[in-house]
Amino acid sequence: QTVVTQEPSLTVSPGGTVTLTCASSTGAVTSANSPNWFQQKPGQAPRPLIYGANNRHSWTPARFSGSLLGDKAALTLSGVLPEDEADYYCLLYNGADQDWVFGGGTKLTVL
Amino acid sequence: QGQLAQSGAEVQRPGASVKVSCKASGRSFVNYHMHWARQAPGQGLEWMGLISSVDGTTTYAPNFRGRVTLTRDKSTSTFFLSLNSLRGDDTAVYYCARSLEFWGQGTLVIVSS
Repeated sequence: QTVVTQEPSLTVSPGGTVTLTCASSTGAVTSANSPNWFQQKPGQAPRPLIYGANNRHSWTPARFSGSLLGDKAALTLSGVLPEDEADYYCLLYNGADQDWVFGGGTKLTVL
Repeated sequence: QGQLAQSGAEVQRPGASVKVSCKASGRSFVNYHMHWARQAPGQGLEWMGLISSVDGTTTYAPNFRGRVTLTRDKSTSTFFLSLNSLRGDDTAVYYCARSLEFWGQGTLVIVSS
């Protein structure tokens, strides 16, 4: 069974830049894994940010960008705002089993 | 557009079954996948499965095969998640998500004797 790994926690200063990554136990993450990124704040449903590795939804601020970085998927936040403090989850498609797997999530602290 | 309204919270006994509904509105019933995920208290998200809106084809996560069933009613644009043989660790908020883009508000299921 595929395991998707994210940094458990990261801290960034307001106005700074931070990159969150998403790795797969099956090997390099590619566009075929269709990486999705979600933001979740306490008591709220997940909010989609990125789909297909690097596509923003219409509501996603430009300071959020997705990419493939080496053998991982990545979410970069530039010009971080205090309101970006949240949990972030990646979700990867597993073509071999035709299912999807969430990463464990990254708790981002803006301090 | 793409709004999803889920059914209300439930309390079930261990060993029982639960059925959560998710009604789609705001868009026509075109071809998309309705995903289901859950989140136990203080834990991360867990993908459970998906169902095609058109032909009802399903895919389930390995951890849930044999215990979860996804169905849909095309006439009412309503999707259902059924989970049987409930255990305490099934206590979670259950979400539906249309094409991973639009999410329901979540349904809390508590499993307790």
